[in-house]
Amino acid sequence: DAKTTQPPSMDCAEGRAANLPCNHSTISGNEYVYWYRQIHSQGPQYIIHGLKNNETNEMASLIITEDRKSSTLILPHATLRDTAVYYCIVRGTGANSKLTFGKGITLSVRP
Amino acid sequence: GAGVSQSPRYKVAKRGQDVALRCDPISGHVSLFWYQQALGQGPEFLTYFQNEAQLDKSGLPSDRFFAERPEGSVSTLKIQRTQQEDSAVYLCASSLRDRGLLGNEQFFGPGTRLTVL
Repeated sequence: DAKTTQPPSMDCAEGRAANLPCNHSTISGNEYVYWYRQIHSQGPQYIIHGLKNNETNEMASLIITEDRKSSTLILPHATLRDTAVYYCIVRGTGANSKLTFGKGITLSVRP
Repeated sequence: GAGVSQSPRYKVAKRGQDVALRCDPISGHVSLFWYQQALGQGPEFLTYFQNEAQLDKSGLPSDRFFAERPEGSVSTLKIQRTQQEDSAVYLCASSLRDRGLLGNEQFFGPGTRLTVL
């Protein structure tokens, strides 16, 4: 799987939008961008994924650049419960599409 | 509905002991993955099952690590002669399908925290 790079940490104020960047310059044409998050002492939780179009669900929005070399996860109204480590992962859809986690970005939401 | 469950949640072992960690995936999920997460790091892949078949064990760090899923549902990760470097959180994940886009999301259990003294 292609590698991703994320800044180590960021913070935002409660109620504001949190924009989490990710670079994946070596992504190949059939690979998707996935985001997971891990709240302290829990297992990772799936958030969203996309190929090239912007995606939105009840948790977040995913914006992928036209060249697909980077993306941004947007939490529109961050709450204290969104404090977690967020992982940006690139993966294919074939059999054994294991997840290759990096160190992720630690998001701290402040009151 | 029930998610992925793992037991025990915490395990303390003396160096040299054998341990067995259990994973109950979501009912009907074809794929099952084991990951190891060291403190401060992201999870790292250990092994993958498609039903009862272990199709990839490339991430197992040594031959002391063994995993099985004999009936294609519950899985057990066994570590023999535990060492201090085995201390980590062991995560299990399952997904409905083994390929494709829909239903390929992995759902994780809470993990088992193993401490080897």
